[in-house]
Amino acid sequence: GAVVSQHPSWVICKSGTSVKIECRSLDFQATTMFWYRQFPKQSLMLMATSNEGSKATYEQGVEKDKFLINHASLTLSTLTVTSAHPEDSSFYICSARPFGGFVGAQFFGPGTRLTVL
Amino acid sequence: EDQVTQSPEALRLQEGESSSLNCSYTVSGLRGLFWYRQDPGKGPEFLFTLYSAGEEKEKERLKATLTKKESFLHITAPKPEDSATYLCAVLPVGGATNKLIFGTGTLLAVQP
Repeated sequence: GAVVSQHPSWVICKSGTSVKIECRSLDFQATTMFWYRQFPKQSLMLMATSNEGSKATYEQGVEKDKFLINHASLTLSTLTVTSAHPEDSSFYICSARPFGGFVGAQFFGPGTRLTVL
Repeated sequence: EDQVTQSPEALRLQEGESSSLNCSYTVSGLRGLFWYRQDPGKGPEFLFTLYSAGEEKEKERLKATLTKKESFLHITAPKPEDSATYLCAVLPVGGATNKLIFGTGTLLAVQP
């Protein structure tokens, strides 16, 4: 149980294009989903918290107009990196908190490797 | 400021050589402490949640313990498949309800 999927698992795009990453909770409903990015040999950095049906809460320093988050259902959240640049290349990981679960019980997706050329 | 520090940064063990990983935390109050395992190029895999000092959780060769200032992840007779980065995270009292604070992890390599 508590499986989270991400799609795509990796993507390569040209600078200036937009990329959408999907995060799905497969066997549970998630009122809250989280988006992280991780640079090599570094820990996870929270980018934003997404609650179903409401606007995402972004961490300080994260551009909300560049990283668009949509959480339209209890099983799907999307992250769109708009006008991507090489410095946006990173490993993006989502996590989901089961509905009714303890607030810390986050289950992570497998991650999406984004490379911007 | 809430902070999580993990040590060592990297640890190399021989198969069967037991050891412990440390997670020290500084928070005004602790709602929960979490251990995750992360394989290269993958998302973190949930291992344990600990809520109060004195609590212990076990899973196969892993045992997590918690005090008021730190947590240990004990690995007994490790196998090569235990090689991974082990992440510790805390959920502090107050602040953003759902925000976990992660340590930088311990990279464990178990050699056959």
